[in-house]
Amino acid sequence: SAVISQKPSRDICQRGTSLTIQCQVDSQVTMMFWYRQQPGQSLTLIATANQGSEATYESGFVIDKFPISRPNLTFSTLTVSNMSPEDSSIYLCSVGDAAEPQHFGDGTRLSIL
Amino acid sequence: QKEVEQDPGPLSVPEGAIVSLNCTYSNSAFQYFMWYRQYSRKGPELLMYTYSSGNKEDGRFTAQVDKSSKYISLFIRDSQPSDSATYLCAMRNYGQNFVFGPGTRLSVLP
Repeated sequence: SAVISQKPSRDICQRGTSLTIQCQVDSQVTMMFWYRQQPGQSLTLIATANQGSEATYESGFVIDKFPISRPNLTFSTLTVSNMSPEDSSIYLCSVGDAAEPQHFGDGTRLSIL
Repeated sequence: QKEVEQDPGPLSVPEGAIVSLNCTYSNSAFQYFMWYRQYSRKGPELLMYTYSSGNKEDGRFTAQVDKSSKYISLFIRDSQPSDSATYLCAMRNYGQNFVFGPGTRLSVLP
């Protein structure tokens, strides 16, 4: 399966700032996804990162808050904008396609002060 | 009713025990079923992936799917302390988004 690297692995940020999380895959993949996992909870899909077009956001998530880039088939970024303590979470990148299970990176642990 | 429900846990068992982890779901259109293991401070790792009803075995792990009852299970035989983790079930229909269960935290005590 693909090897997925996320950077940074963790960060502590100030309220009102923005952080960009990078996801790099060691092979070309069709679909990349961004999830949020709040402490002790399961995974919530934020958006699907589409190469060459805008990301597809799930209900409750908007582009102004979570802008996503997908410049090629091996790389994507998620920005968490204007952060508040409620954004403290683990952000996970995953890859997959229509019929295959998804594979995940180790996530970015984000704390907002 | 949540789309996917999972035994809440946490679950503690002695080393060597047989562990049963279970999920129920409401959407009869789900076709693909997965179990992920997540260690602390790590991303979910795919353990088992099944498409049809029945059993699938991989070493000490057996995944069971009963589509008629909308019920899936993961059995771990001869459990080891290294199996201590959170286990997430996940399911989907072809081309659709994954739906994850809330997870069950398992501790295997030496």
